[in-house]
Amino acid sequence: SYDLSQPPSMSVSPGQTASIACSGDKLGNKNVCWYQQKPGQSPVMIIYQNDKRPSGIPERFSGCISANTATLTISGTQAVDEADYYCQTLDGKPAFGGGTKLTVL
Amino acid sequence: EVHLVESGGGLVQPGGSLRLSCAASGFTFSGYWMSWVRQAPGKGLEWVANTKDDGSEKYYVDSVKGRFTISRDNAKNSLYLQMNTLRVEDTAVYYCAREIPGGQVWLDYWGQGTLVTVSS
Repeated sequence: SYDLSQPPSMSVSPGQTASIACSGDKLGNKNVCWYQQKPGQSPVMIIYQNDKRPSGIPERFSGCISANTATLTISGTQAVDEADYYCQTLDGKPAFGGGTKLTVL
Repeated sequence: EVHLVESGGGLVQPGGSLRLSCAASGFTFSGYWMSWVRQAPGKGLEWVANTKDDGSEKYYVDSVKGRFTISRDNAKNSLYLQMNTLRVEDTAVYYCAREIPGGQVWLDYWGQGTLVTVSS
């Protein structure tokens, strides 16, 4: 199975920029999706095809990809952005990263 | 509005069986691939299985092959997951999710999940 690595946790101050990395072998040759999951809730897609935002997702969420790393960037992070974030790609079968718990404090 | 509602979870002994259902509404169910994704307590997401819009293709994660069967009834707008020979490690919340067309298994709508607990 394909391994996607994410930092288990990170913290950011309100109003600052959070960058969550997702790394995998030759990930730049694939497409990546990002999900947000708040406690007790189902995941929500926030980025697909590396950098596209579904309708209704705030513009402060953006994504990019290069070489072996995909990055989710949250600009002007708000308290409501505190959640777990998962990257996902397809390598024969879908693979998820282990998730990053983002704390806003 | 797209709605996905899972049901059928519960407590089952190791080696037992369970059938999950997912009722879909608010979109043309027969036009979309559908997936099951699970999340063990306190853990991350794991894709389990998916099926083509007409049910003619089905794919599974290796750990459930031969034990789980995904199916759908487009006339009833329903997705199913038959789970046999359950193991303790199958304990998780099971979500059904709709895939964005394109073959990348990007999941744009998720249900609320149903909890499956495998324990003696």
